[in-house]
Amino acid sequence: SQTIHQWPATLVQPVGSPLSLECTVEGTSNPNLYWYRQAAGRGLQLLFYSVGIGQISSEVPQNLSASRPQDRQFILSSKKLLLSDSGFYLCALRQGATDTQYFGPGTRLTVL
Amino acid sequence: AQSVTQLDSHVSVSEGTPVLLRCNYSSSYSPSLFWYVQHPNKGLQLLLKYTSAATLVKGINGFEAEFKKSETSFHLTKPSAHMSDAAEYFCVVSVTDKLIFGTGTRLQVFP
Repeated sequence: SQTIHQWPATLVQPVGSPLSLECTVEGTSNPNLYWYRQAAGRGLQLLFYSVGIGQISSEVPQNLSASRPQDRQFILSSKKLLLSDSGFYLCALRQGATDTQYFGPGTRLTVL
Repeated sequence: AQSVTQLDSHVSVSEGTPVLLRCNYSSSYSPSLFWYVQHPNKGLQLLLKYTSAATLVKGINGFEAEFKKSETSFHLTKPSAHMSDAAEYFCVVSVTDKLIFGTGTRLQVFP
């Protein structure tokens, strides 16, 4: 069965610092991968999704970027963090023709 | 456009009593609908999924949901709440290869 890993689990960063969050998946190949953000007291917002290596679609203009250097690796980055980037970041995958998405354990980011 | 509306932001029940979490959907065609659960500081776990095979969908942990086209509803129920059911629940609709989330319902379970 497929497994989603997210690293790190928690992160505290100062405003203006860079960011790199990693998502890796196991037990599957050529998945669709997604980055979501969940801000405090709010629902989930889709940030990026990828259908393959090097293919990134951005849903919301923002201070973040994503990359997919390998089939099972999805990275969320920022050059300079803002206070508003704080939140819970979730990676998800979708496999094949199904529209079901499975979520990783998440990364809690606090920007101070 | 596809969307879901969760009618209650908070629901409180006593342990052993029934749970009802309400969700209405808007869709121009027969949608795929989901319920996910999120425990504090955890990822989302799939509870159940409706496609079109059966209107009553059984999920994990004793939860089930009924798709009612005439009411455009997809309410989540459980006959008897357990303390471990305390969490945030999301009703979700699928739009092509993306998911649209409701705003969530926080379920509290009192002993």
